[in-house]
Amino acid sequence: DAKTTQPPSMDCAEGRAANLPCNHSTISGNEYVYWYRQIHSQGPQYIIHGLKNNETNEMASLIITEDRKSSTLILPHATLRDTAVYYCIVRVLNTDKLIFGTGTRLQVFP
Amino acid sequence: DSGVTQTPKHLITATGQRVTLRCSPRSGDLSVYWYQQSLDQGLQFLIQYYNGEERAKGNILERFSAQQFPDLHSELNLSSLELGDSALYFCASSLGTASSYEQYFGPGTRLTVT
Repeated sequence: DAKTTQPPSMDCAEGRAANLPCNHSTISGNEYVYWYRQIHSQGPQYIIHGLKNNETNEMASLIITEDRKSSTLILPHATLRDTAVYYCIVRVLNTDKLIFGTGTRLQVFP
Repeated sequence: DSGVTQTPKHLITATGQRVTLRCSPRSGDLSVYWYQQSLDQGLQFLIQYYNGEERAKGNILERFSAQQFPDLHSELNLSSLELGDSALYFCASSLGTASSYEQYFGPGTRLTVT
């Protein structure tokens, strides 16, 4: 079973920041938080990952709470092309498999 | 473009048949993963290979098998196909086995069993 909880859907206006929350209250000390997205039926796309510090790349920012029980993915200026299902995943200890939950369906509207 | 290629893009076959799905990882990646995405089960991990060796197994049926060849490409073999095997099959690759390595997914193979 997935170890994360995400809202099933969210809306965001184009040009605004999209903040996608994720709860991972049972995360272990050396498990990473990963975010992927899937646009329609394409292959999932890696966005960002982090262990305990906040991370930023060209796609997004990842804010992880100090207790590591939750995180937020931030798309700073959402575009219509960001409409997708976003998956928050905790990397299973000592293995590489990704356990996908149901994700958050983000709809960006004009 | 993730750099991971999968063939074929689409496959239509009948129940009871056997098919082979092929995956070529990104250049330099040693790990290959297979995932199945069906409407009722979501994205599920099937199996992982690292440098030719099986590394981890997920919810892979006994009718399914995989291998990774010396050139690091991988094949997923599905046999005695059932209607419920209709799904998108994704291959992903990563550099190695450390937890910090992100996985890059291919475009998938859509299998339809009739």
